[in-house]
Amino acid sequence: RKEVEQDPGPFNVPEGATVAFNCTYSNSASQSFFWYRQDCRKEPKLLMSVYSSGNEDGRFTAQLNRASQYISLLIRDSKLSDSATYLCVVARTGNQFYFGTGTSLTVIP
Amino acid sequence: EAEVAQSPRYKITEKSQAVAFWCDPISGHATLYWYRQILGQGPELLVQFQDESVVDDSQLPKDRFSAERLKGVDSTLKIQPAELGDSAMYLCASSLLGGVNEQFFGPGTRLTVL
Repeated sequence: RKEVEQDPGPFNVPEGATVAFNCTYSNSASQSFFWYRQDCRKEPKLLMSVYSSGNEDGRFTAQLNRASQYISLLIRDSKLSDSATYLCVVARTGNQFYFGTGTSLTVIP
Repeated sequence: EAEVAQSPRYKITEKSQAVAFWCDPISGHATLYWYRQILGQGPELLVQFQDESVVDDSQLPKDRFSAERLKGVDSTLKIQPAELGDSAMYLCASSLLGGVNEQFFGPGTRLTVL
């Protein structure tokens, strides 16, 4: 079983739409959780960390459910510039990162 | 803003040739990672260094891949001989210390093996 599983999409949504991505992880010893954004042919960049209490950064909201081993990312009021691949990342002791395959988002004018 | 540097950005080689990639992490970052990312997939760890020591190289194909970080600063990843299946993006990342901290990625080296 993969460490991290994501729906690869693609998600094609109109500008202004709300879109949600989900991710599950297999190892309950996982300690930290992140969403990274990766533009086409570029390197991944941290979008936001994910905390148990849930956290929000502008139009982006991340949620973590440790009991279900489930992570989500909600993007409100989608912009054209949000088009990218969103990588779910789970980390364990020793800073070992495990990446999902990524979910592709295209925001359409 | 400090960045992770990688070179070359692009490399085209023929199978059976040797290739080498270089990475210079953010100054002061003790932990350095090499990842391989195949198109349509997430990055997969090849090797992790803490200073000059290898922490994890369990996924490194050691028959053809080698990595070093001799002085605990910059690092080199080598493939010899390259195979068609090695075509991918090779990403270097660094983080400040152990624990579970954000990793900062370099721009990557895109390798094409013909």
